[in-house]
Amino acid sequence: QITLKESGPTLVKPTQTLTLTCTFSGFSLSTSGVGVGWIRQPPGKALEWLALIYWNDDKRYSPSLKSRLTITKDTSKNQVVLTMTNMDPVDTATYYCARFSTSTYYYYGMDVWGQGTTVTVSS
Amino acid sequence: EIVLTQSPGTLSLSPGERATLSCRASQSVSSSYLAWYQQKPGQAPRLLIYGASSRATGIPDRFSGSGSGTDFTLTISRLEPEDFAVYYCQQYGSSPPIFTFGPGTKVDIK
Repeated sequence: QITLKESGPTLVKPTQTLTLTCTFSGFSLSTSGVGVGWIRQPPGKALEWLALIYWNDDKRYSPSLKSRLTITKDTSKNQVVLTMTNMDPVDTATYYCARFSTSTYYYYGMDVWGQGTTVTVSS
Repeated sequence: EIVLTQSPGTLSLSPGERATLSCRASQSVSSSYLAWYQQKPGQAPRLLIYGASSRATGIPDRFSGSGSGTDFTLTISRLEPEDFAVYYCQQYGSSPPIFTFGPGTKVDIK
């Protein structure tokens, strides 16, 4: 069974750095084609992709947030960590991590998601 | 950067009716890179369709996807009570590899 679970602070102050951890089981982030993505959803709003990391440690970021985001993985611990600097109240959202897989010229979707973790940015 | 637009914003239908949801891309998208998700209140999204038309594991056959180029469609042939939810399309851009989500279509009970 594949599971992912997000963890991190529920409340951060403006200007602080947010660190979220996605701990997963049931798959390996060393397997070719596999990746983990971070997605957030402000209350009542749409999904917004933030960052992704591939099995080969290739990393990509949302162009609008690139300067504030860092994604890393620890394959031995089955974890993916996202940091977001300079937090602002508009960053209040539920943050999800999700597994996805790709092959040459094909994308199989984000097939397993974590339950999400709610982060509030307030002083 | 590709922008996805979904229409309508809200679709009010009755159980048993057919739902047709549209996802339009600002430029051509490979159908291999187009997915659909369902999200219910308080839950994480669930993958329905990938590759524009392939159903994910466990997804009932009343859900179907189609389309190519800039226009994609998710069809629910006969709405069940559990299908009332928000639906998002998503594009995977391979060069550079990034994800884009549409704004969503809410299917609610008429």
